[in-house]
Amino acid sequence: DGGITQSPKYLFRKEGQNVTLSCEQNLNHDAMYWYRQDPGQGLRLIYYSHIVNDFQKGDIAEGYSVSREKKESFPLTVTSAQKNPTAFYLCASSINANDDGYTFGSGTRLTVV
Amino acid sequence: AQKITQTQPGMFVQEKEAVTLDCTYDTSDPSYGLFWYKQPSSGEMIFLIYQGSYDQQNATEGRYSLNFQKARKSANLVISASQLGDSAMYFCAMREVSGGSNYKLTFGKGTLLTVNP
Repeated sequence: DGGITQSPKYLFRKEGQNVTLSCEQNLNHDAMYWYRQDPGQGLRLIYYSHIVNDFQKGDIAEGYSVSREKKESFPLTVTSAQKNPTAFYLCASSINANDDGYTFGSGTRLTVV
Repeated sequence: AQKITQTQPGMFVQEKEAVTLDCTYDTSDPSYGLFWYKQPSSGEMIFLIYQGSYDQQNATEGRYSLNFQKARKSANLVISASQLGDSAMYFCAMREVSGGSNYKLTFGKGTLLTVNP
């Protein structure tokens, strides 16, 4: 079945460490997105990529980095510069930048210990 | 200013009754899309319904309907005949053009719906 796979489901990070969240899709979608969800805040856009080898900052990109070397993969690195990284992270994809239908992964819950 | 406002942090409804979840939006883009998503406690986001700004009729999908009032900039979700499985977080979202050709989906803060037996 086609879909988006996010791994791991739960991730613990020590302060000062970088950590990478995986997002893989086999839907042949051009566009991919990373959102952060905090309680009472809804979803906020971190980074997005509408095509391979290109990506754009979203509303809260500081402290995060991404790459899009392959169409099916859009990993998110939470760097030590992100002061409050504990959150639920959701990856999504769509056929292209103009497509209305987003498919979401099941999320990664990151906790700083 | 918030682009999507959901004023109800939490809502309760009795099983088999209808419930309306409120959503207002703010945009100067004449072409936009409005979405509702459901997020169960497991975390995944489930697409429910879509309304385009030029659509003449309100969108419906099974037990879900969208009460679209363009002049008031509101896009309320109506769930008819509530079921226990409808208990979840519900998000309203808007898609608009950003920077000329880049589309973004902006979410509200959500409403937690609890269906009581």
